[in-house]
Amino acid sequence: DAGVIQSPRHEVTEMGQEVTLRCKPISGHDYLFWYRQTMMRGLELLIYFNNNVPIDDSGMPEDRFSAKMPNASFSTLKIQPSEPRDSAVYFCASSSRGRPGPGEQFFGPGTRLTVL
Amino acid sequence: QKEVEQDPGPLSVPEGAIVSLNCTYSNSAFQYFMWYRQYSRKGPELLMYTYSSGNKEDGRFTAQVDKSSKYISLFIRDSQPSDSATYLCAMSQGGSYIPTFGRGTSLIVHP
Repeated sequence: DAGVIQSPRHEVTEMGQEVTLRCKPISGHDYLFWYRQTMMRGLELLIYFNNNVPIDDSGMPEDRFSAKMPNASFSTLKIQPSEPRDSAVYFCASSSRGRPGPGEQFFGPGTRLTVL
Repeated sequence: QKEVEQDPGPLSVPEGAIVSLNCTYSNSAFQYFMWYRQYSRKGPELLMYTYSSGNKEDGRFTAQVDKSSKYISLFIRDSQPSDSATYLCAMSQGGSYIPTFGRGTSLIVHP
């Protein structure tokens, strides 16, 4: 299994530009999570999906952030317009309710976003 | 106060030392207690987990849960430079697949 795939791995953009982050979860997983990680705030849950349906987006900072999951194998996180304070590492993770235990999350390698 | 508190460190120890990493929490409904390890520029990976109270051992790693004190620990024996990473505690309620993560503690094991 290739694991969770994220693209791009690095993104440098200018303030005001639109940014789109992409994620391909592990095949067969029914949960997908988007996180943001910074030194100051640690790992923050932005939104999660169950069976492609957004369940909780209370972590999304503001209306500039949006996420979609059009099918079980693809999700996007969009920031429009981007601001310097959005600079962070964004992780996508997936998990399966079918596995025993706490619902281990499998994380992608992350997208390092820098907004100038 | 956050639901899960974890000292960000960094914690620097010499090779071979016993390391103790800790988290406190406020939600008494938590049933699963997890430790994730995150190497630099990588995503977190589940290291081990316990259900409810008690200890769990896996090689050089031991996880402890004290629900009465709302306190969990991860011990690393005979620490190695390859253990240098950020360790995040995470907790979830039974039946929930949504963990609450601590901020992570940065561990540096120097030769």
